[in-house]
Amino acid sequence: EAQVTQNPRYLITVTGKKLTVTCSQNMNHEYMSWYRQDPGLGLRQIYYSMNVEVTDKGDVPEGYKVSRKEKRNFPLILESPSPNQTSLYFCASSLRTGVDQPQHFGDGTRLSIL
Amino acid sequence: SQQGEEDPQALSIQEGENATMNCSYKTSINNLQWYRQNSGRGLVHLILIRSNEREKHSGRLRVTLDTSKKSSSLLITASRAADTASYFCATDARTGFQKLVFGTGTRLLVSP
Repeated sequence: EAQVTQNPRYLITVTGKKLTVTCSQNMNHEYMSWYRQDPGLGLRQIYYSMNVEVTDKGDVPEGYKVSRKEKRNFPLILESPSPNQTSLYFCASSLRTGVDQPQHFGDGTRLSIL
Repeated sequence: SQQGEEDPQALSIQEGENATMNCSYKTSINNLQWYRQNSGRGLVHLILIRSNEREKHSGRLRVTLDTSKKSSSLLITASRAADTASYFCATDARTGFQKLVFGTGTRLLVSP
């Protein structure tokens, strides 16, 4: 089944403890991105990647890192999480680079930083 | 920065009625997409309309685009309880940057 898989789905952790949210797609998609969703603010893009080893900042990249060493994986890294990073996170992918492509979303990761 | 703004923020209707949601955006676009999000789940792509198109249909969905007014509407006909979800528009911006910008969404509640 074609899908975008995020792990974990839920995580409660403490300030400063490094964490990684994994994202994997099995559709051989070139383009992958991370969003956070907050009440009243909608979805905001954190980082995106147009292909392997090609990443760039979105609208809210501060406090986050990403890497794209393989086409299928695009992990989101919080080196030193803070409470303002408590949010619902989504990974998305599309077949090709280009915003005319339908995005396929994972089911989300709910992070709580205490 | 948000490009699309949906209106209304929330909409409550009865099964069988039509639901109309609107999206306004600020800058010129190449295309506009609509997505649905069921509670606690990821977004699901519904339809994409390009800037040179005025109307597009997919099943019970009808999307219009008015580039002169910088607005789009999503019509769901003969709504069902299963249509209860949040609906988002997403636009690109003709800046060359490869990203979509999402609005804050319309919450639709369809009561049996």
